[in-house]
Amino acid sequence: DTGVSQDPRHKITKRGQNVTFRCDPISEHNRLYWYRQTLGQGPEFLTYFQNEAQLEKSRLLSDRFSAERPKGSFSTLEIQRTEQGDSAMYLCASSLALWDGEQYFGPGTRLTVT
Amino acid sequence: TQLLEQSPQFLSIQEGENLTVYCNSSSVFSSLQWYRQEPGEGPVLLVTVVTGGEVKKLKRLTFQFGDARKDSSLHITAAQPGDTGLYLCAGRNTDKLIFGTGTRLQVFP
Repeated sequence: DTGVSQDPRHKITKRGQNVTFRCDPISEHNRLYWYRQTLGQGPEFLTYFQNEAQLEKSRLLSDRFSAERPKGSFSTLEIQRTEQGDSAMYLCASSLALWDGEQYFGPGTRLTVT
Repeated sequence: TQLLEQSPQFLSIQEGENLTVYCNSSSVFSSLQWYRQEPGEGPVLLVTVVTGGEVKKLKRLTFQFGDARKDSSLHITAAQPGDTGLYLCAGRNTDKLIFGTGTRLQVFP
């Protein structure tokens, strides 16, 4: 399978704990995106990378959120001091760096903060 | 703030019926994509439309991009239970996608 993969698929954590998610993009894709989706809503953009450079961050990405893509391949999204409002599906997508590069999504990581 | 509104929000139909889902915005997008998402999974890309007025067909699904590139529609002919899912339109804004509110389709046998 050469699609986008995410790990873990599900994460349950207690409020105040830190969590980290990983995304492995399609191998030849140099752009990687993070989105968040809450129940009954469409995904909302969080941030994206071109190679290792983080090019844009949404205002949704508070100081407790940090994303990295150190070698321009896989990416991690860390949430510090989780809150119940962080409960959501975290989706990763990748694309080629073309003006109309289509984004392909991974299966997501479902985070539940208790 | 760019918004994409989809209608209807929910659609429950019998197998064999036709349906149309609408995606509307006041903003112009360079391209628009349609995705289908099943519970607990990520969205799966169905089609990308780029040119105003463009029509694309994918088996029983017909996608149209409005002339002004602000709106789009998805028409399904003779719906089947396998078409059940959440349909999302997404407009491209520079390098990120702005997603619509989604249409949840349920097709009963």
